[in-house]
Amino acid sequence: AQSVTQPDIHITVSEGASLELRCNYSYGATPYLFWYVQSPGQGLQLLLKYFSGDTLVQGIKGFEAEFKRSQSSFNLRKPSVHWSDAAEYFCAVEEYSNYQLIWGAGTKLIIKP
Amino acid sequence: DTAVSQTPKYLVTQMGNDKSIKCEQNLGHDTMYWYKQDSKKFLKIMFSYNNKELIINETVPNRFSPKSPDKAHLNLHINSLELGDSAVYFCASSQLEGQPVFGPGTRLTVL
Repeated sequence: AQSVTQPDIHITVSEGASLELRCNYSYGATPYLFWYVQSPGQGLQLLLKYFSGDTLVQGIKGFEAEFKRSQSSFNLRKPSVHWSDAAEYFCAVEEYSNYQLIWGAGTKLIIKP
Repeated sequence: DTAVSQTPKYLVTQMGNDKSIKCEQNLGHDTMYWYKQDSKKFLKIMFSYNNKELIINETVPNRFSPKSPDKAHLNLHINSLELGDSAVYFCASSQLEGQPVFGPGTRLTVL
């Protein structure tokens, strides 16, 4: 069965430091991949998505993610985090055949001053 | 066991009809949500219930009415369906302010 794994339940980084959030998926075909962010008290916001083409995708708020087929990964990165980046981040895979999303468990990002 | 389940997976219907989407969670969470995902994959929160009480009600047409018969269920009723209601609807649950768990989504197509 298809699955999405975010191995880190929470990550703590210092403000200004670089960030990488991991996402691995199990899916037979080329997936559609997404990263969403949920800030405290707010709904989900799409950060970026990968459908095809360039494997390095740029998103909003200075985030980027790289699709690596050989590693079945779609890790989210940001060169320098800001305190406002503290939130919950979700990776998701869309099943091409039926358009449903399979969600990762989420990674909580904590920013140290 | 599926933690958050939604039925049906697909819903195709005519304009003007009334339809319901059901959501159930077996995680013992206190809070449940409905989100709408538009064609650009943006997710917007529609409603949030905590212990069967409505706590978030974003600006959505009053044709949309959530109903929570108990803590484990939050159903979404839509009256007089319109073309613009076509979208994928996601249910989620969490402990209050805890990490949400999402359902797989229901794809609604209004013809």
